[in-house]
Amino acid sequence: EPEVTQTPSHQVTQMGQEVILRCVPISNHLYFYWYRQILGQKVEFLVSFYNNEISEKSEIFDDQFSVERPDGSNFTLKIRSTKLEDSAMYFCASSERSGIYGYTFGSGTRLTVV
Amino acid sequence: GENVEQHPSTLSVQEGDSAVIKCTYSDSASNYFPWYKQELGKRPQLIIDIRSNVGEKKDQRIAVTLNKTAKHFSLHITETQPEDSAVYFCAASNNAGNMLTFGGGTRLMVKP
Repeated sequence: EPEVTQTPSHQVTQMGQEVILRCVPISNHLYFYWYRQILGQKVEFLVSFYNNEISEKSEIFDDQFSVERPDGSNFTLKIRSTKLEDSAMYFCASSERSGIYGYTFGSGTRLTVV
Repeated sequence: GENVEQHPSTLSVQEGDSAVIKCTYSDSASNYFPWYKQELGKRPQLIIDIRSNVGEKKDQRIAVTLNKTAKHFSLHITETQPEDSAVYFCAASNNAGNMLTFGGGTRLMVKP
């Protein structure tokens, strides 16, 4: 079964540093998403991306965050200057069509900001 | 925006019993309601979903019901097994957007 791949699985960074989280969506999928989950809490939507542009974003996705599809396979989330409260599990997801047809989530990147 | 409430936050049942998890949503435009199972430290995995044009859907031991008028939907697991132990999340979405709004999660513990 095709999978969404995320790297690294765990990243530790110092407060104020930039981090890039990487995702390889399923190859024939057209819609890409980032979600985050603070430990013990619900999964929260960050951003959706389609046709090389952001289609929707939440209040969490402020100017510190950006997304990019630098080539035909990777989808990245950049956090410019990390804060302690950015510590969370970040999940990438992709779908063949609009999200109402169900996502496939990646295995996540645990980001720890110290 | 959409708000999804989920109850209970924890649920403990004996193996073989049924488990029911309930969610309510606020946006009447929502028309897609998936349920995800998340084991500790792992990704959410879609277990069943329902669209607003049906009231019930069943897949083996798992069923979901939807009441659009009351804006609530429920997950039913019958004949629970220890491997059903996990956190379950409901979510809602609408046609216009492609974001999912998740409920707060239910930690289900099935005691052998």
